[in-house]
Amino acid sequence: GQNIDQPTEMTATEGAIVQINCTYQTSGFNGLFWYQQHAGEAPTFLSYNVLDGLEEKGRFSSFLSRSKGYSYLLLKELQMKDSASYLCAVRVTEGQNFVFGPGTRLSVLP
Amino acid sequence: SQTIHQWPATLVQPVGSPLSLECTVEGTSNPNLYWYRQAAGRGLQLLFYSVGIGQISSEVPQNLSASRPQDRQFILSSKKLLLSDSGFYLCAWGTGSNTEAFFGQGTRLTVV
Repeated sequence: GQNIDQPTEMTATEGAIVQINCTYQTSGFNGLFWYQQHAGEAPTFLSYNVLDGLEEKGRFSSFLSRSKGYSYLLLKELQMKDSASYLCAVRVTEGQNFVFGPGTRLSVLP
Repeated sequence: SQTIHQWPATLVQPVGSPLSLECTVEGTSNPNLYWYRQAAGRGLQLLFYSVGIGQISSEVPQNLSASRPQDRQFILSSKKLLLSDSGFYLCAWGTGSNTEAFFGQGTRLTVV
C-alpha cells in the first residue's frame, strides 16, 4: 500500500522559518514533490527531489532521504501570502502516479 | 507552452442526476492524465489515470467512470450522482519522465 504522513496544521510568524516534514512508505519511488495549495484553488508545483540531499529555490528548500523515507520543505522569510496548504506527493512506479499526503495547513501570523 | 483546461469551475447537481466533467491539454502529446478528488480539508485522492487513448485505470471503486476519447481529452462521468460525490475535482497531466504533474483549475461539485 501507499502511505504518506504530514502534520495536519502548523503556525508560524511572519519573517520566521518553518519546516514541514513528510514521511512516506510507497511501492516504488520516482521522485518526491511539494505543492502549495491556497484555499479553493488548484495545487501549484514548488519543488522536486529524486536524489538525496537539499534542493534550494529562492525562499523554498526541500530535502530528501530515500533510505529514511523522509522529506521536508523549508520556508524562509515567511510572508502572509505563504498561508496555504502544503502537499507532499510521491511519484510511484505503477502508472507513474502521484500519491499525495493529507497536506499541512500553514498559518502565517503577523 | 503547455496548458490544461478544466470546466466547469463550479457545479451544483441534484442527487441522481448525471455528471460530465471535461479536461483538455494543449501543447503536448501522449500525456499521462489523472482525475483526483479532494474532500473539504483533505488530501488528493486519485480516482483514475490514463497512459493513452482508451486506456483507463481505476484506483477507487465508485459510481464514477472516466474516458479518454482523444489523446489530450479526459472526461469524468457519472450516471447517477450521490451526495458523497460532492468535492473538489482536479484534472492533471504529466509526462512519462520524472517531472511534476500540472493541475487544471478544478471543479467544485456540490450534490444536493
